[in-house]
Amino acid sequence: GAVVSQHPSRVICKSGTSVKIECRSLDFQATTMFWYRQFPKQSLMLMATSNEGSKATYEQGVEKDKFLINHASLTLSTLTVTSAHPEDSSFYICSARGLAGGINTQYFGPGTRLTVL
Amino acid sequence: AQSVTQLGSHVSVSEGALVLLRCNYSSSVPPYLFWYVQYPNQGLQLLLKYTSAATLVKGINGFEAEFKKSETSFHLTKPSAHMSDAAEYFCAVSDGANDMRFGAGTRLTVKP
Repeated sequence: GAVVSQHPSRVICKSGTSVKIECRSLDFQATTMFWYRQFPKQSLMLMATSNEGSKATYEQGVEKDKFLINHASLTLSTLTVTSAHPEDSSFYICSARGLAGGINTQYFGPGTRLTVL
Repeated sequence: AQSVTQLGSHVSVSEGALVLLRCNYSSSVPPYLFWYVQYPNQGLQLLLKYTSAATLVKGINGFEAEFKKSETSFHLTKPSAHMSDAAEYFCAVSDGANDMRFGAGTRLTVKP
């Protein structure tokens, strides 16, 4: 099946620093990638949708200047958390949409655990 | 707009017992429906998906789900629970063109 990777899987940083998370679709081209965040014992909340070569579309309440998304190629999207604060600590999951059996299906990465001290 | 509601945030069954996780959807267009499983500190793994073909969908690990349009439901079942099935399960809906919308999740506990 389709594989989506994320790097790093876990990151700890100091408050005020920036952190970049990479999301790659390994065996398919993803014109659309999604970024979610998940707080403990809660569901996934969509942060933004990114299409290759264009600006990301952010969900209401998500600061686009704080969560920078770049989707430079059909296999790579990055999320940069700028000037991170402890409240940004969360589990970030990316998803890439590709064709499977003729149907668009979202495949999820393994997630990145961000802890801001 | 599309949405899903998962009934029961926590379900507990004994090993070997039937697993039933409930999901109801709301969609203005024919939906695509999905069930995902998430183990602690991991991403989501696709269990199965409904894409307007057969209404009874078989997935991995012995799970299956039945699409019932009249009840707007897509409940997930497994005849016999195994300890390894303990995890968080998410139902999701999509119109095939836009992003998925997830339910709140159901935590499945399997007792020995």
